[in-house]
Amino acid sequence: AQTVTQSQPEMSVQEAETVTLSCTYDTSENNYYLFWYKQPPSRQMILVIRQEAYKQQNATENRFSVNFQKAAKSFSLKISDSQLGDTAMYFCAFMTGEYGNKLVFGAGTILRVKS
Amino acid sequence: EAEVAQSPRYKITEKSQAVAFWCDPISGHATLYWYRQILGQGPELLVQFQDESVVDDSQLPKDRFSAERLKGVDSTLKIQPAELGDSAMYLCASSLVGGGDTDTQYFGPGTRLTVL
Repeated sequence: AQTVTQSQPEMSVQEAETVTLSCTYDTSENNYYLFWYKQPPSRQMILVIRQEAYKQQNATENRFSVNFQKAAKSFSLKISDSQLGDTAMYFCAFMTGEYGNKLVFGAGTILRVKS
Repeated sequence: EAEVAQSPRYKITEKSQAVAFWCDPISGHATLYWYRQILGQGPELLVQFQDESVVDDSQLPKDRFSAERLKGVDSTLKIQPAELGDSAMYLCASSLVGGGDTDTQYFGPGTRLTVL
């Protein structure tokens, strides 16, 4: 069975600084996808970034980037130039299979950006 | 921008009562998912539809939960009877197809259920 572990229940960062959220996963699959989702307080979950396991290049979306270490089964999220609007619960998620498989989520990390 | 719609946003009920949640996926999305998110935890899949067919309902408590997507578009999730442990956020998500590079799931705002 696939599992996703987020070892940091809560993190805080000063506005404009950089923060890294950790995620590890366990799978025997070779082809899979990894995601970071953001869930702001009382708002819906939105996709931040995704990474295909077959791609060696780390994904980047504006201020968000990942460090994907396939051998170590590690998938961390780096947020640069943190903004107050980045305050949210961040979930790491894993998906495998060829046809519409479910997302397996970690327990989440609460990120608070302080002014 | 197209979004997944859910209603109601909030529902308070007493145990042993029946409740129903509705989800309208993004137009054209063939795959629809219902997740349950207990406070402080990540979402867990309850049921997945491909068009009108159930693909995965292995984690759905079938003695009290049911889900349908009759015309392959919108979907209803029902709980009867509700129990105290069912208090959670129920999230609906949709994706264009199952699997492949286009399989990003888009989430609705959720229905927060409180069972008293």
